[in-house]
Amino acid sequence: AAGVIQSPRHLIKEKRETATLKCYPIPRHDTVYWYQQGPGQDPQFLISFYEKMQSDKGSIPDRFSAQQFSDYHSELNMSSLELGDSALYFCASSLAGGPSTDTQYFGPGTRLTVL
Amino acid sequence: AQSVTQPDIHITVSEGASLELRCNYSYGATPYLFWYVQSPGQGLQLLLKYFSGDTLVQGIKGFEAEFKRSQSSFNLRKPSVHWSDAAEYFCALNTGTASKLTFGTGTRLQVTL
Repeated sequence: AAGVIQSPRHLIKEKRETATLKCYPIPRHDTVYWYQQGPGQDPQFLISFYEKMQSDKGSIPDRFSAQQFSDYHSELNMSSLELGDSALYFCASSLAGGPSTDTQYFGPGTRLTVL
Repeated sequence: AQSVTQPDIHITVSEGASLELRCNYSYGATPYLFWYVQSPGQGLQLLLKYFSGDTLVQGIKGFEAEFKRSQSSFNLRKPSVHWSDAAEYFCALNTGTASKLTFGTGTRLQVTL
């Protein structure tokens, strides 16, 4: 079965640079979530989109922005990168519509290293 | 606000032994509950989920979990652990359709041969 695709898998940036992470949800899924996982920590929710509209917002810095496009893929844009942004960034997708379908499936993650 | 507590940061079991990982939650109603497993540097794989109905749920890889409303718990169990089960296990909840997941801090499972 098709899974969530994230690209790139690894990214190395310098401080103050920008980065763009991409997420392609499971086909037919209409909701996308972004999570950040620091070393040895649990994933923290950043932002989510349902039918191309922002549906919820967590602890996402103002330097970060995201959107969901007409084909349901999503991009997380990160500017003025800081050392503390180094983390694993996960995308998850789900199909809204009730408990039986509304389960989040995670991609493999993008490991961002800021030097 | 909702929260998830996993009291055990690290657990070591022998291969073939039984396993129970604890998870407690705090939420004003019955949440949707999940267990995910993560191998080092990898993504999160769904093991099982509870929405309603039968309080004992079966998952993949021989795992099961039991929802106990009176104890606000959703403990994960496996009767016989395999070396390949060594990983980080996260309990999580959300509160409805298209809502964010709130994770516990995780339990790292080590399996000795």
